Amino acid sequence: KQEVTQIPAALSVPEGENLVLNCSFTDSAIYNLQWFRQDPGKGLTSLLLIQSSQREQTSGRLNASLDKSSGRSTLYIAASQPGDSATYLCAVRPPGNTPLVFGKGTRLSVIA
Amino acid sequence: DGGITQSPKYLFRKEGQNVTLSCEQNLNHDAMYWYRQDPGQGLRLIYYSQIVNDFQKGDIAEGYSVSREKKESFPLTVTSAQKNPTAFYLCASSTPPSHLNEKLFFGSGTQLSVL
Repeated sequence: KQEVTQIPAALSVPEGENLVLNCSFTDSAIYNLQWFRQDPGKGLTSLLLIQSSQREQTSGRLNASLDKSSGRSTLYIAASQPGDSATYLCAVRPPGNTPLVFGKGTRLSVIA
Repeated sequence: DGGITQSPKYLFRKEGQNVTLSCEQNLNHDAMYWYRQDPGQGLRLIYYSQIVNDFQKGDIAEGYSVSREKKESFPLTVTSAQKNPTAFYLCASSTPPSHLNEKLFFGSGTQLSVL
């Protein structure tokens, strides 16, 4: 059964720092990997989707990489801002009709 | 504008009562999902539906029921059999599943609490 792990569970950084969030998954047979952002008491917003054949995706200050063979993905946030404070969740899409499997998320605080 | 609407935002359940959470989408998505989120935890799948009049159990379906009579609507009933229903419930729908590019769109959630 596919399992997704995110480390660390929480992270606090000063404004302006570059940072990396980690995601690992146990089964390399995936269709895609997605990164989401969740603000307190809100739903999830999709940030980046990496197909299984791709190595990375970029959107503004965000860059997500995928190493399928090792079961790892990273989300790189450049020049962090207080508005980046949120929980970031990683999810993988297994083959077939199986829905996304989510990690527990990393709670990020960017201190001004 | 297009999106997923969940209602109510807050819901309180008395012991022994069934309650229904509403989820409506106007994105013309075929697939819809219900997730449960507990504090500090990830999302756990309750039920999902990939087409009208069909749905499948997720990892934690016990104590819950769903229906999918219309493409736009996927209501979730929390029955009295669910002994620990306090949680944040999220509904989602997805783009036509080409699998590689399938993206999930979420509603704003319903917080259910027990009185």
